[in-house]
Amino acid sequence: KQEVTQIPAALSVPEGENLVLNCSFTDSAIYNLQWFRQDPGKGLTSLLLIQSSQREQTSGRLNASLDKSSGRSTLYIAASQPGDSATYLCAVRDSNYQLIWGAGTKLIIKP
Amino acid sequence: GAGVSQSPSNKVTEKGKDVELRCDPISGHTALYWYRQSLGQGLEFLIYFQGNSAPDKSGLPSDRFSAERTGGSVSTLTIQRTQQEDSAVYLCASRGGMNTEAFFGQGTRLTVV
Repeated sequence: KQEVTQIPAALSVPEGENLVLNCSFTDSAIYNLQWFRQDPGKGLTSLLLIQSSQREQTSGRLNASLDKSSGRSTLYIAASQPGDSATYLCAVRDSNYQLIWGAGTKLIIKP
Repeated sequence: GAGVSQSPSNKVTEKGKDVELRCDPISGHTALYWYRQSLGQGLEFLIYFQGNSAPDKSGLPSDRFSAERTGGSVSTLTIQRTQQEDSAVYLCASRGGMNTEAFFGQGTRLTVV
């Protein structure tokens, strides 16, 4: 059974720092992995989607990597800003169609 | 539409009443998911629709919950005889092709008093 883990559960860093969020999964048989952010009381916003055949995807200050063999993905945020404060979730799409979710990392960027 | 639309955005109902939550997926998206998120918790899968296939209802917590998707587009999630533990944010997501992104609506915050 696929399990997705996100570490750390919470992270607080000063504005301007680069940071890495981690997502690990137990079964490498995935279709893709997607990173989302969720602001308090809001829905989820898709950030990046990495297909199983890809190694990384970039969007602006965000870079997501995927190492399927080791069951790991990282989300790198460059030059963090207070507006980046949110909960970041990763979800793995398994061989059926289910999205298997991590519990999220709550990120706080201190001005 | 431009994105996934959910209505109402907020719903307060009395215990024991029935509620209907609506989701308008992105036009052309064949896959539709319903999730529930209780305060401070992760996403709980409820139900999945894919085209004309039979839906995966394995996540529905009780027979008070049901969902339908008419014409492969709009979906409604119905909760009968609501209980206080049903209070949560109900999120809907849609997806196009097999390996494309899932997009979420802003959710319906349900409060049962």
